[in-house]
Amino acid sequence: EAGVTQFPSHSVIEKGQTVTLRCDPISGHDNLYWYRRVMGKEIKFLLHFVKESKQDESGMPNNRFLAERTGGTYSTLKVQPAELEDSGVYFCASSSRGVAGVETQYFGPGTRLLVL
Amino acid sequence: RKEVEQDPGPFNVPEGATVAFNCTYSNSASQSFFWYRQDCRKEPKLLMSVYSSGNEDGRFTAQLNRASQYISLLIRDSKLSDSATYLCVVNTGTASKLTFGTGTRLQVTL
Repeated sequence: EAGVTQFPSHSVIEKGQTVTLRCDPISGHDNLYWYRRVMGKEIKFLLHFVKESKQDESGMPNNRFLAERTGGTYSTLKVQPAELEDSGVYFCASSSRGVAGVETQYFGPGTRLLVL
Repeated sequence: RKEVEQDPGPFNVPEGATVAFNCTYSNSASQSFFWYRQDCRKEPKLLMSVYSSGNEDGRFTAQLNRASQYISLLIRDSKLSDSATYLCVVNTGTASKLTFGTGTRLQVTL
């Protein structure tokens, strides 16, 4: 079974530019999450989709970040315009319900974003 | 105060040693608990879930103390391949965001 995939693996852009990250979850997983790790900090939640609906977007830093999941399959996370503090590793995770309702989230390899 | 606190380490131990990591969490509503492993420049991977009764998977034993809001991971007979960062992770619902600690770095040496 294919795991969570993310594209691109790396992105280097200049401040003010736009970047779009893509995540393809494990097939059949309704839950899709975006997380971010900035240098020296812990991994932090950004938002959660259930199918195509945003379930929780409490972690989104500001309105420069826009996430979509049209059709409930893959998701995109767009940063526009990018700022220096947006640099970090963006992880996507997907999940399905497991034994006794305990959910396991499986992570993609991440996109390393550097804003210059 | 961080929601999940871990000693960042590094823990440098010789092969064959037993090492223990601890973690505390602040949200008493937390329902699920996990240890994830993260290798350098890789994604986090689930090592094991943590249950109140304690659970064991080979050389790895995890314990949860809800009263003290404390989670532990014990690694016996350490291998070089155990070198990684171990992330303590909690979640407050059955399908909800994960809250991560900063991770504890383990380096196993010859």
